[in-house]
Amino acid sequence: NAGVTQTPKFQVLKTGQSMTLQCAQDMNHNSMYWYRQDPGMGLRLIYYSASEGTTDKGEVPNGYNVSRLNKREFSLRLESAAPSQTSVYFCASTPGYSNQPQHFGDGTRLSIL
Amino acid sequence: EDKVVQSPLSLVVHEGDTVTLNCSYEVTNFRSLLWYKQEKKAPTFLFMLTSSGIEKKSGRLSSILDKKELFSILNITATQTGDSAVYLCAVEARNKLVFGAGTILRVKS
Repeated sequence: NAGVTQTPKFQVLKTGQSMTLQCAQDMNHNSMYWYRQDPGMGLRLIYYSASEGTTDKGEVPNGYNVSRLNKREFSLRLESAAPSQTSVYFCASTPGYSNQPQHFGDGTRLSIL
Repeated sequence: EDKVVQSPLSLVVHEGDTVTLNCSYEVTNFRSLLWYKQEKKAPTFLFMLTSSGIEKKSGRLSSILDKKELFSILNITATQTGDSAVYLCAVEARNKLVFGAGTILRVKS
């Protein structure tokens, strides 16, 4: 009963390095989301995918790209990491129709030096 | 711009106390309001409210939504140390969730 699985759990990067965060869900959900969580700021939406084959920008998309590889997987890529991208990243999924809550993965703690 | 504001930002109570957490919002095309509990890792779902004035209840936790005044409260009665967490309020609007900054609750034994 995995739900939403994120890899890796922790990562340290140097400024300018690239990195892909992986997310997979086994609940046959249509919609998937990437958030970042910073102290005192709650969760902010980076990108989302309402259904397989579509992606849209959220509140803070700059510096990120995403790929909805198939219905199960939604990856987040940092092409050239910056210290301001140090954060905890959460992936979430939902069936995609109303009145269904989002389910979250355990997060990836990313530090950029 | 969609906005969700939670108060207080943090509070410390003793076991057995009752607490009330507040969430106010201003969003376009409101669909629902959700409460999550976050301990060390993933936020876990508590309640979803879509209709005004109907209380959702689960054990010692309850929540109610006022769509006219644009706010919700989360009540926790007879608090326990296991209730210590960050409580997040989120509003669903246009197929996206907008989160508040959260309330940090610490319950002392």
